[in-house]
Amino acid sequence: SQTIHQWPATLVQPVGSPLSLECTVEGTSNPNLYWYRQAAGRGLQLLFYSVGIGQISSEVPQNLSASRPQDRQFILSSKKLLLSDSGFYLCAWSWGSGANVLTFGAGSRLTVL
Amino acid sequence: RKEVEQDPGPFNVPEGATVAFNCTYSNSASQSFFWYRQDCRKEPKLLMSVYSSGNEDGRFTAQLNRASQYISLLIRDSKLSDSATYLCVVNILGNQGGKLIFGQGTELSVKP
Repeated sequence: SQTIHQWPATLVQPVGSPLSLECTVEGTSNPNLYWYRQAAGRGLQLLFYSVGIGQISSEVPQNLSASRPQDRQFILSSKKLLLSDSGFYLCAWSWGSGANVLTFGAGSRLTVL
Repeated sequence: RKEVEQDPGPFNVPEGATVAFNCTYSNSASQSFFWYRQDCRKEPKLLMSVYSSGNEDGRFTAQLNRASQYISLLIRDSKLSDSATYLCVVNILGNQGGKLIFGQGTELSVKP
């Protein structure tokens, strides 16, 4: 069966510090991978999605970047965090074709102070 | 216009009530549709896919109206455990992976 792991679960970072969130998927190959952000009391905003290694689509201009160094690994990064980067970051995967059901990781809750 | 819009919440209903959520989408080429459920401070989880002919899963019924570009979710005989935020999701680029866009969610609170 497929599983998705996301870490760290919680982090508190000062403004201007770097960020790295990691997500890995097990039990499947060539998944579509996604990073979403959910600000407090808000809906999910799609940040990045990837249909293959090295293929990253960015949805909104922002302070963040994503990379996919391996087929089942998706990394979200920032060189310098802003207060507005605080939120609940969710990694998700889906099959390359078909119903596109998303399965989410447990999320990473980031607070920037 | 937002790509996916949902009824504003919250919905506060008594146990046993029937409640309906609506969702509209802007891209007529959208091919797949889903309802997700999100509990407080947790990740969203798939509740059900929405099929063209409509589909039912126990107390939950989902319907799609392509002509009007809206999706609905009906919950019958509400339980306390149904309290959560319900998210409408639309694939706006068709079935070959790509972007899945979430509505802002509608919060449901079922009271005793």
